Amino acid sequence: NAGVTQTPKFQVLKTGQSMTLQCAQDMNHNSMYWYRQDPGMGLRLIYYSASEGTTDKGEVPNGYNVSRLNKREFSLRLESAAPSQTSVYFCASSASTGVSSYNEQFFGPGTRLTVL
Amino acid sequence: GNSVTQMEGPVTLSEEAFLTINCTYTATGYPSLFWYVQYPGEGLQLLLKATKADDKGSNKGFEATYRKETTSFHLEKGSVQVSDSAVYFCALYTGTASKLTFGTGTRLQVTL
Repeated sequence: NAGVTQTPKFQVLKTGQSMTLQCAQDMNHNSMYWYRQDPGMGLRLIYYSASEGTTDKGEVPNGYNVSRLNKREFSLRLESAAPSQTSVYFCASSASTGVSSYNEQFFGPGTRLTVL
Repeated sequence: GNSVTQMEGPVTLSEEAFLTINCTYTATGYPSLFWYVQYPGEGLQLLLKATKADDKGSNKGFEATYRKETTSFHLEKGSVQVSDSAVYFCALYTGTASKLTFGTGTRLQVTL
């Protein structure tokens, strides 16, 4: 089991360029998430997908779009990158988005993105 | 809204020293509380959790007790090892919008 995989590991973009971050999980999880990690800010939720075919905004969705391509894959797209989007991006997955009980989220290794 | 406050790092300890990383929270309702660990170059891993008041979570020698009266979930370990060097995140979950709320993280460095 690879768990949660992310590509690429590192990326440098110029302001205004676009790119897609890829995430895949092999745990048959229903729910997937995208977070960004910034110094002094912890992790903040960008978007999540409770199940295949659904996506919802998190805490900081502006400037991003997502696609839940199938049950395994959840991509994050930056249409016009800005320096404020320089960050480390983590994808995570969980069995479900349980309301009454927590389903552990499993994290990928991250993508370090720099926007010049 | 919900929030988690952790002590500022970095925390530098000698091997076999006692570790405490403070965490306090503000939340509506009755959150579940977690400690996640991030080793260099890796994603976050769940270290331990507690789902109700007075619960003690434990794993790999680490412990944390859910204290509702002080809204705290401090992480402790009796004797740290060099391999414990990592960033530790306190987090809470209330079931709202599937959202984990994270603290800012505390970097621990353990030296020989």
